[in-house]
Amino acid sequence: EAQVTQNPRYLITVTGKKLTVTCSQNMNHEYMSWYRQDPGLGLRQIYYSMNVEVTDKGDVPEGYKVSRKEKRNFPLILESPSPNQTSLYFCASARRPQPYNSPLHFGNGTRLTVT
Amino acid sequence: KNEVEQSPQNLTAQEGEFITINCSYSVGISALHWLQQHPGGGIVSLFMLSSGKKKHGRLIATINIQEKHSSLHITASHPRDSAVYICAVTTPEETSGSRLTFGEGTQLTVNP
Repeated sequence: EAQVTQNPRYLITVTGKKLTVTCSQNMNHEYMSWYRQDPGLGLRQIYYSMNVEVTDKGDVPEGYKVSRKEKRNFPLILESPSPNQTSLYFCASARRPQPYNSPLHFGNGTRLTVT
Repeated sequence: KNEVEQSPQNLTAQEGEFITINCSYSVGISALHWLQQHPGGGIVSLFMLSSGKKKHGRLIATINIQEKHSSLHITASHPRDSAVYICAVTTPEETSGSRLTFGEGTQLTVNP
């Protein structure tokens, strides 16, 4: 089954403890991206990747890192999480890089709480 | 002012009604997406448009590039259509790739 898999679904952690949220897709998609969703602010793009070893900042990249060493994986790394990073996170992929435009496929989301 | 604005923010309808959700944007775009987010949180892509009109079942999406406006229509609405509908635009970046900018979403509730 074609899908984007995020793990974990829920994560509670403490300030400063490094964490990684994994994202994997099995559709051989070139484009992958990360978003956070906050009440009243909607979805905002954190980082995106056009292909292996190519990453770029979105609107809210501060406090996050990403890597794209393989086509299928695009982990989101929080080196020193802070409470303002408490949010619902989504990973998404698309067959071709934007702006060539192809539909987005989303993971099920990761609800992160930083205390 | 947000680059992508949706209206209404909340919409309640009776089963069977025709529903319209609007999206206006203020930037040059290469595509516009309509997404559906169910109460469980999962997000599904409904449409991707760069011009004209698309139809899938009871859902119709239109875009007017000159007016920078898109609409999502739901015909014969059903309680299972209750969800948040999100408009997003792809804007080309100067250096590489593009960025996606989202509207805040429209919460639709369809009552039986």
